[in-house]
Amino acid sequence: QQPVQSPQAVILREGEDAVINCSSSKALYSVHWYRQKHGEAPVFLMILLKGGEQKGHEKISASFNEKKQQSSLYLTASQLSYSGTYFCGTVEAGNNRKLIWGLGTSLAVNP
Amino acid sequence: GAVVSQHPSWVICKSGTSVKIECRSLDFQATTMFWYRQFPKKSLMLMATSNEGSKATYEQGVEKDKFLINHASLTLSTLTVTSAHPEDSSFYICSARGPQRPTYNEQFFGPGTRLTVL
Repeated sequence: QQPVQSPQAVILREGEDAVINCSSSKALYSVHWYRQKHGEAPVFLMILLKGGEQKGHEKISASFNEKKQQSSLYLTASQLSYSGTYFCGTVEAGNNRKLIWGLGTSLAVNP
Repeated sequence: GAVVSQHPSWVICKSGTSVKIECRSLDFQATTMFWYRQFPKKSLMLMATSNEGSKATYEQGVEKDKFLINHASLTLSTLTVTSAHPEDSSFYICSARGPQRPTYNEQFFGPGTRLTVL
């Protein structure tokens, strides 16, 4: 079942923070976050496998809640380079590692 | 990190011709490869999953005879769009996944191929 991403779009000024949510009605095995820039293929950001897990790289971090049905991506002190569409992909428990994509969240960071 | 290449980057063809797109994993063995189609400002639509040496598994609504997928080796999968028509114009992206960490859980994407059918 396709995960629900929110918000659909967000506009930030450089230096502001943003949170993108990804939720499923089913128990998840893992959540994957990717960023895609216009005309390019998606780029892997991170994967979360364990309930309660949090991880990050530089100023982008993510969490996977204990019930393993929701993940949030946190963008701190956004940079112009953060602009793009963020997709979460979910793997449902027992679903043979098939990745199901959300519809994406469009993020625009302006100077 | 794991690298996936696609060739060509873009192709323009006439209606009725067939187009082959290659997807290669350059530094790991891709036991599973995925083919996606993406329309402008839309999400990735999984077309099919292919495992090396076996027939591809197509998603509902994807025509097997229209989109031929071959995964003959652990580093190469091909997608052939047969008798292409303008409605087949799209951005086609492949991704690959390996049997072991770090490629086991991640999908590594190729740069995509933009197909335009006139």
